[in-house]
Amino acid sequence: GQNIDQPTEMTATEGAIVQINCTYQTSGFNGLFWYQQHAGEAPTFLSYNVLDGLEEKGRFSSFLSRSKGYSYLLLKELQMKDSASYLCAPMDSNYQLIWGAGTKLIIKP
Amino acid sequence: GAVVSQHPSWVICKSGTSVKIECRSLDFQATTMFWYRQFPKQSLMLMATSNEGSKATYEQGVEKDKFLINHASLTLSTLTVTSAHPEDSSFYICSAEAAHGSSSYNEQFFGPGTRLTVL
Repeated sequence: GQNIDQPTEMTATEGAIVQINCTYQTSGFNGLFWYQQHAGEAPTFLSYNVLDGLEEKGRFSSFLSRSKGYSYLLLKELQMKDSASYLCAPMDSNYQLIWGAGTKLIIKP
Repeated sequence: GAVVSQHPSWVICKSGTSVKIECRSLDFQATTMFWYRQFPKQSLMLMATSNEGSKATYEQGVEKDKFLINHASLTLSTLTVTSAHPEDSSFYICSAEAAHGSSSYNEQFFGPGTRLTVL
C-alpha cells in the first residue's frame, strides 16, 4: 500500500533551524512535494524534488533520497509565521499526490 | 502567479439540502481540477479528479451521486453536495493543475477552501 510517515508535531524556537522528516512508500514515484498549511487555510506550495539531493529556496530547503524513500524539509531562521502544518506529498505512478496528515510545527519565542 | 478561488468560503445549511461549491482558476486554464476533503487534524483526502468536458473520476468510497462534479470550462469546476448530512461537515478544498513553466511537473494550486457545516 501507499504510506506517508511524518512526525505529528514538532516544536522549535524562533530564529532556530528545524528539520521535518518524511518517509514514504508509493506505487511508482514521480517526485515529492512539500506544502505548508496554516490552520483553516488551504495548502500552499513550498518545493518539489524529483532527483536525489538538496533543493534550496531561501529559508527553506528540501532533500530527497529516492532509494531510501526519504525526504526532509529544512527551515532556517524560523519566524513565528512559520507555525503551520507541513505536508509531505509524493506523487505516485498515476501522477496522483499521496497525502499524509502532516507535521504541525509550533514556533516559540 | 496562478490563483484559484473558491466560493463560498463557508456555508451553513440544514440537513437534507444541497450545497454547490465553485472552484475557479483566475489567471490560467486548468484542464484538471481536484476536489479534496479534510477533517480536523487529518490529511487531505482526494475525493475526485475532474477533467474539463468529461466525467469526473471518483476515489474509492466517494459516492458520485452524492458529490456531483461538473467541469464545464477550463476555468470552472463545481462540487455539489446533495442531500447534505451532518457527517458531510468538513473543509472542502479544490486545486487546479497548471504546467510549471519549463519544468517537467505540473503544480497544483489550491483554492482557499470552503468550510461546510451541516446542521
